[in-house]
Amino acid sequence: GAGVSQTPSNKVTEKGKYVELRCDPISGHTALYWYRQSLGQGPEFLIYFQGTGAADDSGLPNDRFFAVRPEGSVSTLKIQRTERGDSAVYLCASSLRARPEDTGELFFGEGSRLTVL
Amino acid sequence: QQQVKQSPQSLIVQKGGISIINCAYENTAFDYFPWYQQFPGKGPALLIAIRPDVSEKKEGRFTISFNKSAKQFSLHIMDSQPGDSATYFCAAKAAGNKLTFGGGTRVLVKP
Repeated sequence: GAGVSQTPSNKVTEKGKYVELRCDPISGHTALYWYRQSLGQGPEFLIYFQGTGAADDSGLPNDRFFAVRPEGSVSTLKIQRTERGDSAVYLCASSLRARPEDTGELFFGEGSRLTVL
Repeated sequence: QQQVKQSPQSLIVQKGGISIINCAYENTAFDYFPWYQQFPGKGPALLIAIRPDVSEKKEGRFTISFNKSAKQFSLHIMDSQPGDSATYFCAAKAAGNKLTFGGGTRVLVKP
């Protein structure tokens, strides 16, 4: 497909478990973002990659959250020792250009819904 | 701290009517203001965006009005259609690349 692909679409896990969420950006998009959307809320920024490096990780809530993008394409968001409060939809977005206002429109995936029991 | 406040949380409009959604912000460093549309089970999609050097931008039935002095901006959906029923988010960006989103407005257009 031509859009941003996220897997799994749904993940149910138990409190304390480790979770990985994967994002396949649109081919050729150098910028990649992770956002978290709680029920009835707007997306909340987590981390931004430009190429392989995390250019801004100021939105990661604590050290249980970590994200990588080793080859500058696919990214994985990793959550250790999951808590019930981590339950949300995790959205990935990619853009062709570094700055959203430079017609670097963010294209969002459909998200990975994480439920921590 | 909610940096972008959006209202109303929900609204119902008749087909053909005008939907108006308002957003207010505090951070004067914001320099880019997009609106996103989100359908259930889907990711947000860019609808229209504006920079603070213009007061209005129109694309089809969608218009952004921007008031820099009041630190407010709004989305007007003219001739609302049932297919416009969705959740709308305003957002703002300062230096860097992260967008700060409002809380969202659920719009229902009744036929």
